[in-house]
Amino acid sequence: DIQMSQSPSALSASVGDRVTITCRASQGVTNYVAWFQQKPGKVPERLIFAASRLQSGVPSRFSGSGSGTDFTLTISGLQPEDFATYYCLQHGNHPFSFGRGTKVDVK
Amino acid sequence: EAQLVESGGGLIQPGRSLRLSCAGSGFALSDYAVNWVRQTPGKGLEWVGFIRTSPYGETTEYAASVKGRFTILRDDSKNIAYLQMNSLQTEDTGRYFCSRYSLVDMLFTFDLWGQGTLVAVSS
Repeated sequence: DIQMSQSPSALSASVGDRVTITCRASQGVTNYVAWFQQKPGKVPERLIFAASRLQSGVPSRFSGSGSGTDFTLTISGLQPEDFATYYCLQHGNHPFSFGRGTKVDVK
Repeated sequence: EAQLVESGGGLIQPGRSLRLSCAGSGFALSDYAVNWVRQTPGKGLEWVGFIRTSPYGETTEYAASVKGRFTILRDDSKNIAYLQMNSLQTEDTGRYFCSRYSLVDMLFTFDLWGQGTLVAVSS
């Protein structure tokens, strides 16, 4: 089974900061990686699919990159509504698997 | 408007069974594979399982933590997918979401999610 090692597990940032979150897959998953944002008690919101494609309606300050085993989510210019937990998900091989999440909070 | 609505959650004793439903509206669920994802208290998201569409035999895949206890089914005539959960354990407590697995520009995406249904396993 493929493990997704997500880092950091938490970070503190300020509005306007550039934030980078990484996921490393234990085996290659080509570009079958998605990124989600989740706020407490809410449904996960999809941000990125196919490693780098922005979901419809998602602000362009979110971007994704990577292929194979190493993937990155970048938020360029953190906004107040972006304080949340972020997850990567690999769906290149079954069983699919999530990273453990990165909580982004206020510095 | 396309929508997914989960139902069937509740308080259940360990060892018992529960069936969750995921009802689609505004689109034909038969055209899509369906994933189930859960969020357990204080923990992150966990992928639970997946059912393919009828042309692919409605075959299923599961996480190791639920394999042999959980079964995913679908009834496309009713536009519903199900998660049958047997031999429930306290660790199965959480909110369960279903998600549509779609092709966009020949790329797969989890493009539609339900609001989730709560399952509490406790004696």
